[in-house]
Amino acid sequence: GDSVTQMEGPVTLSEEAFLTINCTYTATGYPSLFWYVQYPGEGLQLLLKATKADDKGSNKGFEATYRKETTSFHLEKGSVQVSDSAVYFCALVFQGAQKLVFGQGTRLTINP
Amino acid sequence: DTAVSQTPKYLVTQMGNDKSIKCEQNLGHDTMYWYKQDSKKFLKIMFSYNNKELIINETVPNRFSPKSPDKAHLNLHINSLELGDSAVYFCASSQKISGGETQYFGPGTRLLVL
Repeated sequence: GDSVTQMEGPVTLSEEAFLTINCTYTATGYPSLFWYVQYPGEGLQLLLKATKADDKGSNKGFEATYRKETTSFHLEKGSVQVSDSAVYFCALVFQGAQKLVFGQGTRLTINP
Repeated sequence: DTAVSQTPKYLVTQMGNDKSIKCEQNLGHDTMYWYKQDSKKFLKIMFSYNNKELIINETVPNRFSPKSPDKAHLNLHINSLELGDSAVYFCASSQKISGGETQYFGPGTRLLVL
């Protein structure tokens, strides 16, 4: 079945470090791909998305490119801040399927 | 002006009780969802409704019964609560039933069954 695999956490970085959180998926066909972020004690918020191959989603300095050839959607940010500390979820959904299939989440902690 | 709201935020109850969680969205969306997040933060869909019609029921025990009185509301009733039901339950909505649509999440209801 369809699945999403994320980099194991937790990830701890210093402020201004470069961030990569890996995400790969297994699916038949071409899903839409998402990154959601969950700040402590809150619900999930969409961070960025890409709906077709080679699309790049970007928001708040974060970027991810939909790579069909490697079935990946890695999240990157050039310089992280303490306020980026949160749990990040990669997810996919198919046309006509509606349900988001989530990865296991990666907890990110940024130290000042 | 909360887009997707849930009540209550916290719910602590005894095993065997029946409880309900309410969800409302003011975004004018057609589709609503319930997700369950376990203690390891793993998120899984439970139900989705489109225009008050059940679309997805993901092998959830029939102790869980969703109800959508109108497009803006999707409630979740749980009978005979069990310890394993302890989790955070998230409601979400999207404009329409389509794979590329963004889903907007509520703040979650933290359920603890003792």
